[in-house]
Amino acid sequence: AQSVTQLGSHVSVSEGALVLLRCNYSSSVPPYLFWYVQYPNQGLQLLLKYTSAATLVKGINGFEAEFKKSETSFHLTKPSAHMSDAAEYFCAVSERNKLSFGAGTTVTVRA
Amino acid sequence: EAGVTQFPSHSVIEKGQTVTLRCDPISGHDNLYWYRRVMGKEIKFLLHFVKESKQDESGMPNNRFLAERTGGTYSTLKVQPAELEDSGVYFCASSLRQGPGTDTQYFGPGTRLTVL
Repeated sequence: AQSVTQLGSHVSVSEGALVLLRCNYSSSVPPYLFWYVQYPNQGLQLLLKYTSAATLVKGINGFEAEFKKSETSFHLTKPSAHMSDAAEYFCAVSERNKLSFGAGTTVTVRA
Repeated sequence: EAGVTQFPSHSVIEKGQTVTLRCDPISGHDNLYWYRRVMGKEIKFLLHFVKESKQDESGMPNNRFLAERTGGTYSTLKVQPAELEDSGVYFCASSLRQGPGTDTQYFGPGTRLTVL
């Protein structure tokens, strides 16, 4: 079965600093990978997804992720954090349309 | 276009009682999914409907959980009788097509279930 592991349950960044959220996957076949974000009191919203086209995937709100097969990674980055980026972020892999999620990383942004 | 809606947003019940959660997918979405997140754990898949048929129910924890999707529109998830370990947030999601796994699943806000 495919799975993902998110490194770090909490990340704290200063406003304007780089946001880096780590995700490693385990899959015997080319994976379909996703990053979702959950803002307080809201549902999960898709940030971006990797579907084996370009390895650098750009998403909404200035986020992007790079698929690295050699490292089995799909880390999420944003060059400059905003206060509005405070949320919980989930990496996920899809297997026959069933999403398997990582444990989530909560991001806090310091003014 | 309305998103995925779930009702109720919160439910507090006693152990042994019955609770029914409802999900209304985005109009026209044939695929409907239920997921659950218990406190401190990952979000876990429960089951997948294609229209009114159960495509995959491998994540359903036990026979106290019953999901239905009559007419292929909204879905209900009934827990009967509820146990303490059923507490958590239940998410519903829908997608338009059943592709090779790349279709975006749109999530509702979730129902927070507390079993006392």
